[in-house]
Amino acid sequence: GENVEQHPSTLSVQEGDSAVIKCTYSDSASNYFPWYKQELGKRPQLIIDIRSNVGEKKDQRIAVTLNKTAKHFSLHITETQPEDSAVYFCAASKGGGADGLTFGKGTHLIIQP
Amino acid sequence: DAGVIQSPRHEVTEMGQEVTLRCKPISGHDYLFWYRQTMMRGLELLIYFNNNVPIDDSGMPEDRFSAKMPNASFSTLKIQPSEPRDSAVYFCASSLGGVLSKLFFGSGTQLSVL
Repeated sequence: GENVEQHPSTLSVQEGDSAVIKCTYSDSASNYFPWYKQELGKRPQLIIDIRSNVGEKKDQRIAVTLNKTAKHFSLHITETQPEDSAVYFCAASKGGGADGLTFGKGTHLIIQP
Repeated sequence: DAGVIQSPRHEVTEMGQEVTLRCKPISGHDYLFWYRQTMMRGLELLIYFNNNVPIDDSGMPEDRFSAKMPNASFSTLKIQPSEPRDSAVYFCASSLGGVLSKLFFGSGTQLSVL
């Protein structure tokens, strides 16, 4: 099955700086790569996703890049704010068949005031 | 829509007891997923259903775990007998259109097995 590695496990940045979280996946057939944000004590929520037919996608301060050749994708958050503090999970899936969505172990992003 | 509804929110039980977790997906959604979250292992997919039919249960850790979806609006995850290592947050999620679609998570059930 799919294996998703996520780094770093903890990331501390100054408010206003950028944050980058990286993930690699093992199954070259995977074609869907979402990112979920989980605030303390809350449920995970989708913040952005990318499909394999595009290399980059942006939504305001958030962007995701995908390199299919290297089998890695990254989340970029610019101009970080206190409300960005949370655990971020990357995930991968090839859809269909018997494979669900496989998550990375998460990155705890801490925004320092 | 109230979103995905899970019950109970918290469950404390003793080792060896049966535990049943419940989930009501968003009306109209055709996929339902059960995930387990721990600090060590993150979010693990246990099983998922499409139109009430189990599609992949390869993530179910042992025969002590079972899941059912008797109709489109209800699913259960049962652990019998429970063990301390089962302590985790169990999330149910639903989606419209499958694993390539946005997952809507419930609030989770915090399970503590003593």
